Amino acid sequence: AQSVTQLDSQVPVFEEAPVELRCNYSSSVSVYLFWYVQYPNQGLQLLLKYLSGSTLVKGINGFEAEFNKSQTSFHLRKPSVHISDTAEYFCAVLPLIKAAGNKLTFGGGTRVLVKP
Amino acid sequence: SQTIHQWPATLVQPVGSPLSLECTVEGTSNPNLYWYRQAAGRGLQLLFYSVGIGQISSEVPQNLSASRPQDRQFILSSKKLLLSDSGFYLCAWSGVAQYFGPGTRLTVL
Repeated sequence: AQSVTQLDSQVPVFEEAPVELRCNYSSSVSVYLFWYVQYPNQGLQLLLKYLSGSTLVKGINGFEAEFNKSQTSFHLRKPSVHISDTAEYFCAVLPLIKAAGNKLTFGGGTRVLVKP
Repeated sequence: SQTIHQWPATLVQPVGSPLSLECTVEGTSNPNLYWYRQAAGRGLQLLFYSVGIGQISSEVPQNLSASRPQDRQFILSSKKLLLSDSGFYLCAWSGVAQYFGPGTRLTVL
């Protein structure tokens, strides 16, 4: 079984400042990793994914994440946030080994509030 | 390209009334399909998933049921809604990642 921990439930940040959202996971098998963003009253949108290869993954809207296998982490970063980045962010994992339903395991989410 | 639709977008229903939420996917065939619920201030809860027509797996025992009458159609139903069924319902389909629909906001009064 897998578990995902997002260490910060809320992150306030000023506009144009950098932000880092932390994600740690636990799994007995190798996993794919994902970050999603959810704007108010909308569905989840895929920000980026790590499947293999370079451990630094670039996504949409200027976000990037780094996979650290030894620390089982997949932290999300953006060097300069905008007001429009105010949203909830979810980290998720999917085991490489095919299992029934290919179900994702999600973290509890991190609310980012960008202040002017 | 693939798109996923959900309707209705919002719904207000009295306790004890029936429910039917619909999800359809375009641009892909034989996708895995999922229903999630987000209660207020809480994370995502997987309710059902389907790997093919007529194949439904339930993740939690509850007042809801799901059906997949066609390859790209997934329906969430209830015979009698409870107050605790209020929430934001999301449908998703998967390739490697999961791709989500716009959601349905359900308020049970």
